Amino acid sequence: DIQMTQSPSSLSASVGDRVTITCRASPSINKYLNWYRQKPGKAPELLVYAASSLQRGVPSRFSGSGSGTHFTLTISSLQPEDFATYYCQQSYFGNTFGPGTKVDIK
Amino acid sequence: QLQLQESGPGLVKPSETLSLTCTVSGGSISSNTYYWGWIRQPPGKGLEWIGSIHFSGSAYYNPSLKSRVTLSIDTSKDQFSLILSSVTATDTAVYYCARQSLDLAYSGSYYYFDFWGQGTLVTVSS
Repeated sequence: DIQMTQSPSSLSASVGDRVTITCRASPSINKYLNWYRQKPGKAPELLVYAASSLQRGVPSRFSGSGSGTHFTLTISSLQPEDFATYYCQQSYFGNTFGPGTKVDIK
Repeated sequence: QLQLQESGPGLVKPSETLSLTCTVSGGSISSNTYYWGWIRQPPGKGLEWIGSIHFSGSAYYNPSLKSRVTLSIDTSKDQFSLILSSVTATDTAVYYCARQSLDLAYSGSYYYFDFWGQGTLVTVSS
């Protein structure tokens, strides 16, 4: 089994803030890591795949990095539509989602 | 634009079988570079992958649910389906269907869920 953790579990931020979310995997998953944003009452949306590849149509303020067991999602300038919950997901062996990080308004 | 739509009963009795279908429109389900998956989300909780199926019929499942899950696919109708047996209240969730795309890169073969249905709430209750 591959275990996924995320930190923090929640954070408060303001529009324009730089936000970084961390995802850790155990054991190593190379770069088989995806990031999603889920707005309340909506389906998740793919932001980043293969750890650092931006999905087509996703704003450039989103970026992903990392490999192995440590990954980060960075939002360079938080926008109103970014107040949501973010999930990482590994596809190295089966599929497992992290527990989520909720970003709300400070 | 690809669209996915879940359909099925919104209420299932404990110990009975949950059955959902996902209809794909705006694209073909019969492509070698896609799997078609089911993911669920209990109210107020996180996402749990259930399983994924290829148009060839090849499927793989979450080990924690494998004994109760069957996936099938009907390429003539561009539909794929989920059957979950012996349900309990813990199976109450929003169930999503999604396309799982493949990106072939020098460093590996990367799968990700890029198109999702809107989700359907299934409640398990007598």
